[in-house]
Amino acid sequence: KAGVTQTPRYLIKTRGQQVTLSCSPISGHRSVSWYQQTPGQGLQFLFEYFSETQRNKGNFPGRFSGRQFSNSRSEMNVSTLELGDSALYLCASSLALRTQAMGYTFGSGTRLTVV
Amino acid sequence: AQSVTQLDSQVPVFEEAPVELRCNYSSSVSVYLFWYVQYPNQGLQLLLKYLSGSTLVESINGFEAEFNKSQTSFHLRKPSVHISDTAEYFCAVSESGNQFYFGTGTSLTVIP
Repeated sequence: KAGVTQTPRYLIKTRGQQVTLSCSPISGHRSVSWYQQTPGQGLQFLFEYFSETQRNKGNFPGRFSGRQFSNSRSEMNVSTLELGDSALYLCASSLALRTQAMGYTFGSGTRLTVV
Repeated sequence: AQSVTQLDSQVPVFEEAPVELRCNYSSSVSVYLFWYVQYPNQGLQLLLKYLSGSTLVESINGFEAEFNKSQTSFHLRKPSVHISDTAEYFCAVSESGNQFYFGTGTSLTVIP
């Protein structure tokens, strides 16, 4: 079966712009989580969605938001981009909430560069 | 909240030599433990996991990790590394019904 698909793979944006990233989970997976990966900070949890509702949120400013659709696809949006938002954004899916014991399946990520 | 410490940010090792990548976590409550591997320009792939039972878990490509509750550690080892093992390795912890906490990663470089 198809894996977790993230689009686009690469993005270059200018400071102050906004960006939307997309994630399609594995078929049948209903939980989608987003992480920001940077060389200095490692993976930082952004948020988790299940059944179109945000269930957990990390410690990021309100410029970072997300949503999940009825088909479990998820988008995250970053408004008023800053240079420090340059990172690899990873999406991970799992069957349901509280099945983290089984581990996530990650997408290949979207590399965002803010100039 | 959990914190996960990977003590070595970079580990160079010669091909066919043994390697250990260290991971410690903060909480002694019941946890699930994972190692993920990331190859260049790719997402993270699950390498192995500890949920319960035997404290020694193995992956299909020769890696193993041992859960040590008293030392809150989950070190990753391989007795003989290959060039293809060059990658970034992440230790992760999940408390029951909660989010994952990742370490900052260890870059393993295998030298021919």
